[in-house]
Amino acid sequence: QKEVEQNSGPLSVPEGAIASLNCTYSDRGSQSFFWYRQYSGKSPELIMSIYSNGDKEDGRFTAQLNKASQYVSLLIRDSQPSDSATYLCASQGAQKLVFGQGTRLTINP
Amino acid sequence: DTGVSQNPRHKITKRGQNVTFRCDPISEHNRLYWYRQTLGQGPEFLTYFQNEAQLEKSRLLSDRFSAERPKGSFSTLEIQRTEQGDSAMYLCASSSPSGTGNEQYFGPGTRLTVT
Repeated sequence: QKEVEQNSGPLSVPEGAIASLNCTYSDRGSQSFFWYRQYSGKSPELIMSIYSNGDKEDGRFTAQLNKASQYVSLLIRDSQPSDSATYLCASQGAQKLVFGQGTRLTINP
Repeated sequence: DTGVSQNPRHKITKRGQNVTFRCDPISEHNRLYWYRQTLGQGPEFLTYFQNEAQLEKSRLLSDRFSAERPKGSFSTLEIQRTEQGDSAMYLCASSSPSGTGNEQYFGPGTRLTVT
């Protein structure tokens, strides 16, 4: 079992709709969780961090964390074509990040 | 504040050659990380420095790999006797501890191709 699991997709969403990305993790000792966006051929870009149960909103992005269910999600509202990318979920226990394999998201105009 | 920088951006080498990559972290970030990413996968942790001390190494870091951060600023990652399986994107990240978080910011990466 992988430590961090994501649906690899591809996930296709029409422009203006809500994109929902999900992630589960196995290490109950993980304290911090991150979402990175990665465009093709580029490096990961940090878009959200979340440390406690509940929701955290930043602009069009909302991260949700449920430690009891070991579940993290990212919602993107009013999806734009520029949101088309691979989204990486990462957990952190001590120092290192443990990544899922990423979900490829395509926003259709 | 400039971001993390990495050099070179691309490296093509023949099997058996040695290669060295450099990473310059965000200024005053005392933590520096190396990851490796292959196509279709998320980045995998290689090693981590706090200041000049190398505090954790992954089992992925075979004896052909060595990393240094001699003065607690820039870091180098050397791969000796490269193999085709070493072909990947090598990513460097840096962070500064703050509160409950340890947000890591990545550089542009060095893409290594071993022929």
